[in-house]
Amino acid sequence: DAKTTQPNSMESNEEEPVHLPCNHSTISGTDYIHWYRQLPSQGPEYVIHGLTSNVNNRMASLAIAEDRKSSTLILHRATLRDAAVYYCIQWGSARQLTFGSGTQLTVLP
Amino acid sequence: ETGVTQSPTHLIKTRGQQVTLRCSSQSGHNTVSWYQQALGQGPQFIFQYYREEENGRGNFPPRFSGLQFPNYSSELNVNALELDDSALYLCASSLTGGLAGVRQYFGPGTRLTVL
Repeated sequence: DAKTTQPNSMESNEEEPVHLPCNHSTISGTDYIHWYRQLPSQGPEYVIHGLTSNVNNRMASLAIAEDRKSSTLILHRATLRDAAVYYCIQWGSARQLTFGSGTQLTVLP
Repeated sequence: ETGVTQSPTHLIKTRGQQVTLRCSSQSGHNTVSWYQQALGQGPQFIFQYYREEENGRGNFPPRFSGLQFPNYSSELNVNALELDDSALYLCASSLTGGLAGVRQYFGPGTRLTVL
């Protein structure tokens, strides 16, 4: 599975929305976009995934561009507990997740 | 339901030794994947087991081997440890039925230090 491109780090203020971008210019029609996050000293945890349409769950929203070459993970109100490394993963036919370096999100009080 | 558990939490070994790491998958999950995460990097896929058979392998040498048991728990064995094997080892379980793109549930990891 191809590698995605994310900024190395981002900062946000507590209680404000956060938009985490991801580029996946080589995505194929059957590849899903998955987001996982890894809090300090923990294993990664699933956040959200989608194919073409925007998706919402209790943790976040995922906005996928019309050409599917990019997407944005939206945390509607960042809390200190949301400080983590966020991984955007383009997942197609491989059985495993292929992680990049992710975006380190810092939430400022 | 219980989540994915791993043991031990931390481990220190010396170069050349052998190590066994253990993982209990989430209840009902029949697939276990192992990942290695070096400091400051994303996890790298080692291999996956589905119903006790190896179901895919990443770019790791044969001294990394594994087992899955009838209760779907799993072991990762590493022989002839090298300094570069120092990392966080993560286990993830899923109910894939051998399919791709299915949500994976990660354990907290085992921190291995090789001196």
